[in-house]
Amino acid sequence: EAQVTQNPRYLITVTGKKLTVTCSQNMNHEYMSWYRQDPGLGLRQIYYSMNVEVTDKGDVPEGYKVSRKEKRNFPLILESPSPNQTSLYFCASSTGGAFGYYGYTFGSGTRLTVV
Amino acid sequence: AQSVTQLDSHVSVSEGTPVLLRCNYSSSYSPSLFWYVQHPNKGLQLLLKYTSAATLVKGINGFEAEFKKSETSFHLTKPSAHMSDAAEYFCVVSDQGASGGSYIPTFGRGTSLIVHP
Repeated sequence: EAQVTQNPRYLITVTGKKLTVTCSQNMNHEYMSWYRQDPGLGLRQIYYSMNVEVTDKGDVPEGYKVSRKEKRNFPLILESPSPNQTSLYFCASSTGGAFGYYGYTFGSGTRLTVV
Repeated sequence: AQSVTQLDSHVSVSEGTPVLLRCNYSSSYSPSLFWYVQHPNKGLQLLLKYTSAATLVKGINGFEAEFKKSETSFHLTKPSAHMSDAAEYFCVVSDQGASGGSYIPTFGRGTSLIVHP
């Protein structure tokens, strides 16, 4: 089944403790992206990647890192999480190197709470 | 720069009545437009998309949307609401931008559809 898999689904952590949220897709998509969803703000893009070793900042990159060493994986790293990073996170992927014609396939989300 | 505005944060309808979720966009280039649905505790699912072909686009679950360039709108409609349609809906715009490069999407803030029995 074609899908984007995120782990974990739920995570509670403490301020300053490094964490990684994994994202993997099995569709050979070139384009991957991370979003955070907050009430009343919709989805905001954190980082995106056009292909292996090609990443770029989205609208809200501060406090996050990403890497794209393999085509299928696009982990999101929080080096020193803070409470304002408490949010619902989505990973998404798309083919053709461009979102425009195909749309995204989204993961099921990771609900992160930083205390 | 592109932008998208969903005109209603909440829409409430009775089961069996029509649904209208409004979306206006701004784009300097030929945009692609999308509607996504998010059910509680789920990821986003593509409902339909417009990519410069027919202006009336049909999607899954009986939804459709019409691209109106003169009004810069892409409203989502359904003739008869079902209880299972209760969800959050997102309008999305993307265009190539000045560089002609890949499309980067902008999401609206979402419209919560409430369906009463």
